[in-house]
Amino acid sequence: AQTVTQSQPEMSVQEAETVTLSCTYDTSENNYYLFWYKQPPSRQMILVIRQEAYKQQNATENRFSVNFQKAAKSFSLKISDSQLGDTAMYFCAFLRGGSQGNLIFGKGTKLSVKP
Amino acid sequence: DAGVIQSPRHEVTEMGQEVTLRCKPISGHNSLFWYRQTMMRGLELLIYFNNNVPIDDSGMPEDRFSAKMPNASFSTLKIQPSEPRDSAVYFCASSYDSGTQHFGDGTRLSIL
Repeated sequence: AQTVTQSQPEMSVQEAETVTLSCTYDTSENNYYLFWYKQPPSRQMILVIRQEAYKQQNATENRFSVNFQKAAKSFSLKISDSQLGDTAMYFCAFLRGGSQGNLIFGKGTKLSVKP
Repeated sequence: DAGVIQSPRHEVTEMGQEVTLRCKPISGHNSLFWYRQTMMRGLELLIYFNNNVPIDDSGMPEDRFSAKMPNASFSTLKIQPSEPRDSAVYFCASSYDSGTQHFGDGTRLSIL
C-alpha cells in the first residue's frame, strides 16, 4: 500500500522569503503522479502543482516549484517570494498511474506567512 | 467553466436524522470521488465512481453510509442514521483521464 508522509506539522516564513515543505512517499509502483494541494482557511482544496513520475524535469508553476527525487521517494515543495495569501494547509498527495484511482494524502503542513 | 459543485455548504442536524450530500462534477469528467476530512484521520477516500459505476467503496465506514451516481452529472452521499462521529468536512472531487482531481468547496457536517 502507498503511504505519504509530511514530517513538518507546522512551519512559518517571513513574507518575501523562501520556504520548503517536505514530503516523502512509499510505493512499489513505477508509474504514478504526485501533487501538492493548498487548503486555505476557506477550506477549498486548490491544486498547486503536479508531477509525473516519468518526467525527470521538476515541475514549476510561477513561485511554486518541486524537487522530485524519485530514487529517494521525496517530493518537496518550494515557495519563493512568500505572500500572505500563501498561508494555508499544504497537502502532498500520491496517485497511482494508469488508472482513475483515488489520491493518498499526507497529514498536511500548516504554513503561516508572517508580515 | 463551472467547477465541482457541492451542496449544502453547511449542514447541522440531530443524531439519528438522515443526511444527504450532493455533488455535481465538472462536465466531461468520468470519475467522481467522495472524501472525508477530520482532524484525527485527515483526508480519506470514502468511495469513487468511474463512468457512474462504483469502483472502490472500501472506505465507506459502515452500512449507514451509501452513495449513488445515477448519471454523469450528479452524485449523492447519504448517511442514515447519522451519529455525532460522522461530523466532518465531506469533499467531492472529479477527474478525467489526466488524473488531476478537482475538488468542490466541501460540506461541513455537524451532527449534534
